[in-house]
Amino acid sequence: EAQVTQNPRYLITVTGKKLTVTCSQNMNHEYMSWYRQDPGLGLRQIYYSMNVEVTDKGDVPEGYKVSRKEKRNFPLILESPSPNQTSLYFCASSLSNRVVEQFFGPGTRLTVL
Amino acid sequence: GQSLEQPSEVTAVEGAIVQINCTYQTSGFYGLSWYQQHDGGAPTFLSYNALDGLEETGRFSSFLSRSDSYGYLLLQELQMKDSASYFCAVPQYNNNDMRFGAGTRLTVKP
Repeated sequence: EAQVTQNPRYLITVTGKKLTVTCSQNMNHEYMSWYRQDPGLGLRQIYYSMNVEVTDKGDVPEGYKVSRKEKRNFPLILESPSPNQTSLYFCASSLSNRVVEQFFGPGTRLTVL
Repeated sequence: GQSLEQPSEVTAVEGAIVQINCTYQTSGFYGLSWYQQHDGGAPTFLSYNALDGLEETGRFSSFLSRSDSYGYLLLQELQMKDSASYFCAVPQYNNNDMRFGAGTRLTVKP
């Protein structure tokens, strides 16, 4: 089944404790992206990747890191999480950046205390 | 600046027709997408308009007017399962990123 998977689905952590949210897609998509969703603000793009070893900042990259060492994986790293990073996070992928249909993962709800 | 504006909430009754508007102000405009998101779920792609006019897919249609920087999603024969949030979005190929509106929460009542 073609899908985007994320882990963990739910995470409660404390300020300053490094964490990684994994994202994997099995559709051989070139383009992958991370979003955060907050009430009243919709989806805001954190980072995106055009292909392996090519990443760039979205609208709200502060406090986040990403890497794209393999085509299928695009982990989101929070080196020192803070309470303002409490949010719902979605990973998404598409065939390329010129394909407007993005496939989203199930989401990761992160709470930083 | 770059922005997309859509109403925060819309309510309609089962069987009715509802229109969700989206106005945008972006640089390098290439087209307008629509996504649906049910509570607790992930956004799913509904439609994309690159050219002016109406695109129809079953009960859902999407319209774009580039000259007016405006588009809408039209949902016909509303069903209870259509209760969800709907987002307009623009791909920005110059920057290779995707910009979403804040979303419209549609509530369908019996």
